[in-house]
Amino acid sequence: ETGVTQSPTHLIKTRGQQVTLRCSSQSGHNTVSWYQQALGQGPQFIFQYYREEENGRGNFPPRFSGLQFPNYSSELNVNALELDDSALYLCASSLWTSGRSSYNEQFFGPGTRLTVL
Amino acid sequence: AQTVTQSQPEMSVQEAETVTLSCTYDTSENNYYLFWYKQPPSRQMILVIRQEAYKQQNATENRFSVNFQKAAKSFSLKISDSQLGDTAMYFCAIYNNDMRFGAGTRLTVKP
Repeated sequence: ETGVTQSPTHLIKTRGQQVTLRCSSQSGHNTVSWYQQALGQGPQFIFQYYREEENGRGNFPPRFSGLQFPNYSSELNVNALELDDSALYLCASSLWTSGRSSYNEQFFGPGTRLTVL
Repeated sequence: AQTVTQSQPEMSVQEAETVTLSCTYDTSENNYYLFWYKQPPSRQMILVIRQEAYKQQNATENRFSVNFQKAAKSFSLKISDSQLGDTAMYFCAIYNNDMRFGAGTRLTVKP
């Protein structure tokens, strides 16, 4: 069983640039969630993708967007980078099999550390 | 909106002793899940223990147990027989449609 992987491990960008982060979900999982974890803080929910569609979103502006592919891997895109976007970006995959309010365990990847200069 | 508060930014404990990490939360939902996650320096979030809100019995996983007080909206984590490998950030989280985390408690286990 392959765990959740993320690439790249680290990334440095400058303000105004665009970035794409990638996540491969655990084998058999169909749902991917993305989180932003600023230094010294807990993760904040960005959005979730299920069957290639956005299925819930946190309090993040539209310049944060995503994709999910038929193999359930996912991308997080951030446009017009700001200094405050510097953070650890975590993705988590799960197998969603029933009602939305039920919980299916999320397995986290190791994260991508993004630095915006 | 759901919120999670961890009032202890840092804690330390001697190896083999017991430590309790505090967590309070707020939600208007009646059906939700609560979690404690561990994040070591490797950054990977690891699920420590979970509690379904509809279950009155406190969850236990080996050396880890919780004290779930639904009316008080309190969810503390007790680590017994602390080990050096328990040193990490610990996050309390609540799930109902999406996951909300607290700010974390940095736990150091001293030899």
